Amino acid sequence: GQQVMQIPQYQHVQEGEDFTTYCNSSTTLSNIQWYKQRPGGHPVFLIQLVKSGEVKKQKRLTFQFGEAKKNSSLHITATQTTDVGTYFCAGAGSWGKFQFGAGTQVVVTP
Amino acid sequence: EPEVTQTPSHQVTQMGQEVILRCVPISNHLYFYWYRQILGQKVEFLVSFYNNEISEKSEIFDDQFSVERPDGSNFTLKIRSTKLEDSAMYFCASSVRQGGETQYFGPGTRLLVL
Repeated sequence: GQQVMQIPQYQHVQEGEDFTTYCNSSTTLSNIQWYKQRPGGHPVFLIQLVKSGEVKKQKRLTFQFGEAKKNSSLHITATQTTDVGTYFCAGAGSWGKFQFGAGTQVVVTP
Repeated sequence: EPEVTQTPSHQVTQMGQEVILRCVPISNHLYFYWYRQILGQKVEFLVSFYNNEISEKSEIFDDQFSVERPDGSNFTLKIRSTKLEDSAMYFCASSVRQGGETQYFGPGTRLLVL
């Protein structure tokens, strides 16, 4: 079955530094979504990528969808303390069903 | 801004008891989902629901689970005979369309089975 893997599991970042989290699927995805979950909160939608090779930016966040539509990345520049949380990717393969990755837990040190 | 709501926020139950978790999806959304997240772990898909039918379910969603849309606004998840391993945060989500559409998550119900 479809599996979505995310690395790294944990990311400890100094404020102001950049970091990247990666998402890989065992199967080709129709699209991929990224969510952020703050500690004790619920997943909040960030963005959706649909096209092969697509790149989207949201302020300091840059999202990429691989050419083969099997991987994606989220790059955050100049990390701030407000970036703390767990970032999940969710790949849509089969109809009506999303597979979430295990998430990257981000800790930011001032 | 419209949002998905869930009740109760916390539920404590004894093993073997039935629980019903309630969700009110966003009003113009047509697709509804339940997910669960065991503490410290990833979000796991349980079931998707459209037009009063289950459209997709995961291997977690066994005969102990059922979903229902009893009226025009509520969407419920029933666990018939809870087990210790059912302890988790249960999230409801809804979307306008299925597949690649943005899913809006509710705040979750934290279920603790003793």
